[in-house]
Amino acid sequence: EAQVTQNPRYLITVTGKKLTVTCSQNMNHEYMSWYRQDPGLGLRQIYYSMNVEVTDKGDVPEGYKVSRKEKRNFPLILESPSPNQTSLYFCASSLPQGEEFFGPGTRLTVL
Amino acid sequence: GQQVMQIPQYQHVQEGEDFTTYCNSSTTLSNIQWYKQRPGGHPVFLIQLVKSGEVKKQKRLTFQFGEAKKNSSLHITATQTTDVGTYFCAGVSSNDYKLSFGAGTTVTVRA
Repeated sequence: EAQVTQNPRYLITVTGKKLTVTCSQNMNHEYMSWYRQDPGLGLRQIYYSMNVEVTDKGDVPEGYKVSRKEKRNFPLILESPSPNQTSLYFCASSLPQGEEFFGPGTRLTVL
Repeated sequence: GQQVMQIPQYQHVQEGEDFTTYCNSSTTLSNIQWYKQRPGGHPVFLIQLVKSGEVKKQKRLTFQFGEAKKNSSLHITATQTTDVGTYFCAGVSSNDYKLSFGAGTTVTVRA
């Protein structure tokens, strides 16, 4: 089954404790992205990657890091999480200019 | 950078009535996509419009792409409780091919 998986689905952590949210897709898509969703703000792109070892900042990259060492994986790293990073996070993959396939989401709470 | 504005933010509809949500871009678009997110779920692709003035229908949903390729609309007729959710438009810029999401229209239905 074609899908995007994210782990964990829920995470409660404390300020400053490094965390990684994993994302994997099995559709051989070149493009992968991370979004955060906050009430009234829609989906805002954090980082995107057009292929292996190619990443670029989206609209709200501050406080986040990503890597794309393999085509299928695109982890999101929060080196020192802060409460303003409490949000719902979605990973997505696509072909160039194609539809985005979204993962199930990760609800992160930073205390 | 490209901005995609979507109105209204909320739409409360009586079951059986029609409604429309609108999407406007600050720049010309290569194409526009529409997604639906059910409560507690992730965004799911509905349709993509590419041509100027294009109109596509999916059962009770009608999607339009403006002649100038800077605006789009989604019209739903005879709203049903299954239409509940948030509808997002997402525009692909013709300048840099980046995808930008609108803030979404959240639809609730009164039975």
